[in-house]
Amino acid sequence: QPVLTQSSSASASLGSSVKLTCTLSSGHTTYIIAWHQQQPGKAPRYLMKLGSSGSYNKESGVPDRFSGSSSGADRYLTISNLQSEDEADYYCETWDSNTQIFGGGTKLTVL
Amino acid sequence: QLQLQESGPGLVKPSETLSLTCTLSGGSIRSSLYYWGWIRQPPGKGLEWIGSIHYPGSTYTYYNPSLKSRVTISVDTSKNLFSLKLSSVTAADTAVYYCARVDETFDWWGQGTLVTVSS
Repeated sequence: QPVLTQSSSASASLGSSVKLTCTLSSGHTTYIIAWHQQQPGKAPRYLMKLGSSGSYNKESGVPDRFSGSSSGADRYLTISNLQSEDEADYYCETWDSNTQIFGGGTKLTVL
Repeated sequence: QLQLQESGPGLVKPSETLSLTCTLSGGSIRSSLYYWGWIRQPPGKGLEWIGSIHYPGSTYTYYNPSLKSRVTISVDTSKNLFSLKLSSVTAADTAVYYCARVDETFDWWGQGTLVTVSS
């Protein structure tokens, strides 16, 4: 089964950009992942699916400021023009043989 | 628009069985396109997949190996809902429990319900 590794925290200034990373374990570097956002006190929200080529499929209603990219085992979520409402936990997730796997999540602080 | 609503007791005693339901509106539990899943989140911690169910006419269930011995997920097509039962609970099972639609990933989430295990 794949393992997803995320940094526990990240921070960036209001109006700037931030790139969050999710790393797939060896042998699973071609997997598609998904990114989810969880604002404080709320349920998670699905943002996008992201493939190994860097192509991504955003959920309807997700702002254009959110984009995805990939490099090898790494999957990235880039948020441009950071807003206060972007302060949240971000989880990556993948799936294999009807098993769902989450990364540990990254807590993003907007300064 | 799809809505998922979790319901069930907010307090369960240790060693007893936790039971939750997830009621769908705006969609059918019998859809062959989707699976339906349960996820939990202990206070201050990350997300953990519990299990999923697919009901295109027959029932297919998939469980997290770490919970498999204690988990049962089922559907009630007459009420358009799916259920979670987790047996022999301990304080470690205290968490917010979410239900969600699965289209490879969890693309639609319920609002979650907090279940506390305490005597």
